[in-house]
Amino acid sequence: DQQVKQNSPSLSVQEGRISILNCDYTNSMFDYFLWYKKYPAEGPTFLISISSIKDKNEDGRFTVFLNKSAKHLSLHIVPSQPGDSAVYFCAAERAGNNRKLIWGLGTSLAVNP
Amino acid sequence: NAGVTQTPKFQVLKTGQSMTLQCAQDMNHNSMYWYRQDPGMGLRLIYYSASEGTTDKGEVPNGYNVSRLNKREFSLRLESAAPSQTSVYFCASKGIQETQYFGPGTRLLVL
Repeated sequence: DQQVKQNSPSLSVQEGRISILNCDYTNSMFDYFLWYKKYPAEGPTFLISISSIKDKNEDGRFTVFLNKSAKHLSLHIVPSQPGDSAVYFCAAERAGNNRKLIWGLGTSLAVNP
Repeated sequence: NAGVTQTPKFQVLKTGQSMTLQCAQDMNHNSMYWYRQDPGMGLRLIYYSASEGTTDKGEVPNGYNVSRLNKREFSLRLESAAPSQTSVYFCASKGIQETQYFGPGTRLLVL
């Protein structure tokens, strides 16, 4: 049973446009959400996170939005650049679970020049 | 400051052979993790160690053993490799109030 779902396996956008990656979760006990980025043949690297007490967190071109009532979060990349082409993983954690991360399956983003 | 290092980078095994994947971190992190990544399956936790001297099973522990040798090192052992263990293995570490940092991965092929 997938507790963190990324329903779009892939996404293609034009350079300069907005990329929106979506993530849904089922466990209302999750209190912290993270996005990781992964290039081929490399390990995932942390991108941005959001606590459940917030609804938005911004870091440069990257913004994460959290809608707790819908159990939905999204990552916005504006403007998208070819170097953003990678697989993006959504992950969630909760207190009392040794804060283990529960991962989505990832969305492969291709930013076309 | 190398972060998280993993050895080897690539390994081919025959069914039934054993091997140990090594992981070390130099960030003084308490927690360390072993994941496997398979196509269409995302990242699945094999074992983790919340602190030196403790280890716990994750989502897919069968066929694996781990050792938290000291605070820096966390090894993953396959006693009798099977083709189903063909995967990319990632080690990660985490400090208090920090996110997980990942190594570059070990690609394992079991024939």
